[in-house]
Amino acid sequence: EPEVTQTPSHQVTQMGQEVILRCVPISNHLYFYWYRQILGQKVEFLVSFYNNEISEKSEIFDDQFSVERPDGSNFTLKIRSTKLEDSAMYFCASSPLTEAFFGQGTRLTVV
Amino acid sequence: RKEVEQDPGPFNVPEGATVAFNCTYSNSASQSFFWYRQDCRKEPKLLMSVYSSGNEDGRFTAQLNRASQYISLLIRDSKLSDSATYLCVVRVEYGNKLVFGAGTILRVKS
Repeated sequence: EPEVTQTPSHQVTQMGQEVILRCVPISNHLYFYWYRQILGQKVEFLVSFYNNEISEKSEIFDDQFSVERPDGSNFTLKIRSTKLEDSAMYFCASSPLTEAFFGQGTRLTVV
Repeated sequence: RKEVEQDPGPFNVPEGATVAFNCTYSNSASQSFFWYRQDCRKEPKLLMSVYSSGNEDGRFTAQLNRASQYISLLIRDSKLSDSATYLCVVRVEYGNKLVFGAGTILRVKS
């Protein structure tokens, strides 16, 4: 069964460093998303991506964040100059149109 | 008003019990509705989509009331493995972002 895969599963980084989180969505899906979940809190929308461009972004998704689909299969989230409050689980998801399927997540710890 | 509201629980039930979760959403233009399940520190997994006519998948029954902007999930004959957080999820337009409720915690005990 096709699945969304994310790497790495866990990343520890120092405050102020840049991180890149990677995702391989399900092939033939059209819509791609990044969500984050701070420990003990709800799943929060960051950004959606369709037709090689951002289709929607939340208030959280400021200039510190960027997304790319560099090679037609991978989908990346870059966080520049990480802060302590960026520590969270980051989930990638893809959707053919209605239901969305999530990757297993990347646990980002900023120290 | 929150976009998607759920009772956080926890619901502590014995094995074999029937339990129901409710959810309300604020945007009357919402098109798609889902229940996801999330185990501790894992990704949300799609449990079922919710259709206007109501739908059933084994022990799980979902219902939608568009007039009241209300979604429900009924779990019959609860199993220990049903213990998880159940997330009510709404999408306004096809392809657009999913909006998550904060989740309802279910603990099934033997």
